[in-house]
Amino acid sequence: AQSVAQPEDQVNVAEGNPLTVKCTYSVSGNPYLFWYVQYPNRGLQFLLKYITGDNLVKGSYGFEAEFNKSQTSFHLKKPSALVSDSALYFCAVSDNTGFQKLVFGTGTRLLVSP
Amino acid sequence: DSGVTQTPKHLITATGQRVTLRCSPRSGDLSVYWYQQSLDQGLQFLIQYYNGEERAKGNILERFSAQQFPDLHSELNLSSLELGDSALYFCASSPFTELSYNEQFFGPGTRLTVL
Repeated sequence: AQSVAQPEDQVNVAEGNPLTVKCTYSVSGNPYLFWYVQYPNRGLQFLLKYITGDNLVKGSYGFEAEFNKSQTSFHLKKPSALVSDSALYFCAVSDNTGFQKLVFGTGTRLLVSP
Repeated sequence: DSGVTQTPKHLITATGQRVTLRCSPRSGDLSVYWYQQSLDQGLQFLIQYYNGEERAKGNILERFSAQQFPDLHSELNLSSLELGDSALYFCASSPFTELSYNEQFFGPGTRLTVL
């Protein structure tokens, strides 16, 4: 069965500094990986996905993620954090049997201080 | 705005009752997914419909059921409600094709409180 782990409940970073939100995955077969962000009282918003190809994936709002097959990781990164990036971030893996349901990690709260 | 709409936004009801949550997918999306978000269980997949047919089931209780109608909107029915059913219920939609992995677009959710 597919699973993802987000080892940090919260990540604190100062505005302007780079940020990393960690995610590791476990799948049988090819991984299809996603990052979503959830702002308070809002639904989840898609940031980026890795299906195949280049290990560095660029997404919305300046975010990018690096796929590392040997370390089974898919960390979310941003070169310069904004206070408005403060939110709950979810890593997810898609069922690779074709049904495409998402299995989510537990989420990481990102807090960017001014 | 994702284009996915959910009604109602909030629902407060009592144990033992039955409620219906409604979802309208993005225009053109044939696949609808339901997820439950709770503090203790996190975000969990419940069920998927594609063009009116059930495609996949996750951790959905027997007291819960869903359907997708010809106009592609979907309803999630929750019956014999328990306190533990209190959660945020999300609907998502995607174009869904067998050969590609499309991102899902989430609605704003329905917050269910069971008293």
